[in-house]
Amino acid sequence: GIQVEQSPPDLILQEGANSTLRCNFSDSVNNLQWFHQNPWGQLINLFYIPSGTKQNGRLSATTVATERYSLLYISSSQTTDSGVYFCAVNYDKIIFGKGTRLHILP
Amino acid sequence: DVKVTQSSRYLVKRTGEKVFLECVQDMDHENMFWYRQDPGLGLRLIYFSYDVKMKEKGDIPEGYSVSREKKERFSLILESASTNQTSMYLCASSPPGAIQYFGAGTRLSVL
Repeated sequence: GIQVEQSPPDLILQEGANSTLRCNFSDSVNNLQWFHQNPWGQLINLFYIPSGTKQNGRLSATTVATERYSLLYISSSQTTDSGVYFCAVNYDKIIFGKGTRLHILP
Repeated sequence: DVKVTQSSRYLVKRTGEKVFLECVQDMDHENMFWYRQDPGLGLRLIYFSYDVKMKEKGDIPEGYSVSREKKERFSLILESASTNQTSMYLCASSPPGAIQYFGAGTRLSVL
């Protein structure tokens, strides 16, 4: 079946730094979502981005479907950005990557 | 705003108990999903439903069953809870092929 790989698995940054999270997938997909799971376990939708680029405040995402990857950019990180970031692709069903755990230090 | 409500945030049960996890959505979505999340394994699909009284097995259905008697409600049932079912359980809903909306999650501990 399709493989979804996220990198890096863990990331520790100082507040104010920028970061790039990557999601690779092994086959063509219908769409892709990025989620942020906060330290309390809540999964929040960030982007629904089958292709192209979207921006929402300090966050932006780019999906290059032909090359089978998506990137999530976080600029000027804040401590509230801490948590796990998941990408999920819609193949014949929704498949999640294992996540990138981001820890922003004050 | 889409609202997906899971009945409990935290639940503690004993081995062998029958456990019901309830999920309700208020957007008339056709699809509903149950996932579990474990460290190092990410989110894994247990069951999903694309219509009332319809259900499909996901990646890890063993030890679970589901019920969807009404469109807005999707229940996950652990017939006889075991310690390896201690996990975070997440419910989601969506229109067909579209973005999924998640509930706040239920952290289940089976002692």
